[in-house]
Amino acid sequence: GIQVEQSPPDLILQEGANSTLRCNFSDSVNNLQWFHQNPWGQLINLFYIPSGTKQNGRLSATTVATERYSLLYISSSQTTDSGVYFCAVSTDSNYQLIWGAGTKLIIKP
Amino acid sequence: DVKVTQSSRYLVKRTGEKVFLECVQDMDHENMFWYRQDPGLGLRLIYFSYDVKMKEKGDIPEGYSVSREKKERFSLILESASTNQTSMYLCASSLPGLPNYGYTFGSGTRLTVV
Repeated sequence: GIQVEQSPPDLILQEGANSTLRCNFSDSVNNLQWFHQNPWGQLINLFYIPSGTKQNGRLSATTVATERYSLLYISSSQTTDSGVYFCAVSTDSNYQLIWGAGTKLIIKP
Repeated sequence: DVKVTQSSRYLVKRTGEKVFLECVQDMDHENMFWYRQDPGLGLRLIYFSYDVKMKEKGDIPEGYSVSREKKERFSLILESASTNQTSMYLCASSLPGLPNYGYTFGSGTRLTVV
């Protein structure tokens, strides 16, 4: 089945820094979503982005489907950005979401 | 504001007990899912449902069952709780068909089996 790998596994930054999180996937996908899980466990959908680029405030995401990766950019990080960021994909042969292991982001004040 | 509500935030049960985890969504979503999340293992799908009275096994269904008698409610049942079922349980719902658009999670139930 498809493999989803996220990097880095952990990231510690000072408030105000920019960060780039990466998601690599091993096969063609029809769906790619980015989620944020806050320190209290709540998961929020950030982007639905099987291809192209989207922006929402300080967050943006780019998926290059032909090269099988997606990037999540966080600019001017705030402490509320802390948590775990997950990438999840689905394929034509398995339309359940397949989850990466996540990137744990800690933003220090 | 649309919501997926899980009945308990924290739960402590004894080994061998029958445990019910309840999930209710108010978005009229056809799809509902139960995951468990463990450190280092990410999210693993236990069961999902695409319609009332319909259920499908996910990746780790052993030791669990589900019930969906109404569209808005999806229950996860641990028939005989064991300590290895201590985990965070997450319920989610989404719009029908591809590509699982509108995926919305509840706030999770942290279950401890002693």
